[in-house]
Amino acid sequence: DSGVTQTPKHLITATGQRVTLRCSPRSGDLSVYWYQQSLDQGLQFLIQYYNGEERAKGNILERFSAQQFPDLHSELNLSSLELGDSALYFCASSAGEGNSPLHFGNGTRLTVT
Amino acid sequence: AQKVTQAQTEISVVEKEDVTLDCVYETRDTTYYLFWYKQPPSGELVFLIRRNSFDEQNEISGRYSWNFQKSTSSFNFTITASQVVDSAVYFCALSDHNYGQNFVFGPGTRLSVLP
Repeated sequence: DSGVTQTPKHLITATGQRVTLRCSPRSGDLSVYWYQQSLDQGLQFLIQYYNGEERAKGNILERFSAQQFPDLHSELNLSSLELGDSALYFCASSAGEGNSPLHFGNGTRLTVT
Repeated sequence: AQKVTQAQTEISVVEKEDVTLDCVYETRDTTYYLFWYKQPPSGELVFLIRRNSFDEQNEISGRYSWNFQKSTSSFNFTITASQVVDSAVYFCALSDHNYGQNFVFGPGTRLSVLP
């Protein structure tokens, strides 16, 4: 158990809809990262937060947004969903120090129909 | 800019064979950290090992070993006497020393161990 909790585990929705993915980091971790993994693809970095502030942005679409709350949990909002958004979305957390590993949640599998 | 290359997209071996997964990285930082992660068919991402740039000592953990060579910017992962349960996608990653950390992942190597 990595200590990172992601909900929900599965999400099935229709095109055009909006969904929210939630992540609770490991106790004590200040950094939260979001990744997208499409079928048989690598990890695409979306966005990172450190102690409530946006730290880095990757290939995140304008239809997607995220935030990290004062209690350090994070939410990833996906709107105007398209079929191509179907993927496994991972949240990961780290202490934020140089040698801290990323610990991943089990992911949310999003299916857009 | 930082970059991680895993040139082997897919590898297939027969059980009990040894296999090495290659990882080559690029960074201008003098202090950095390297990681390996395993993603089995069940989908979760499991942290395997971390290595600091100033520690070139190789590491062995059971059937797993890691060879870090700064001279060639490589951090290779060897599985000895592979087993079917080793079948997974393996990702190599690099992070910097800054607060908040910037992680860069390689594209992954899919390892299939056949019985």
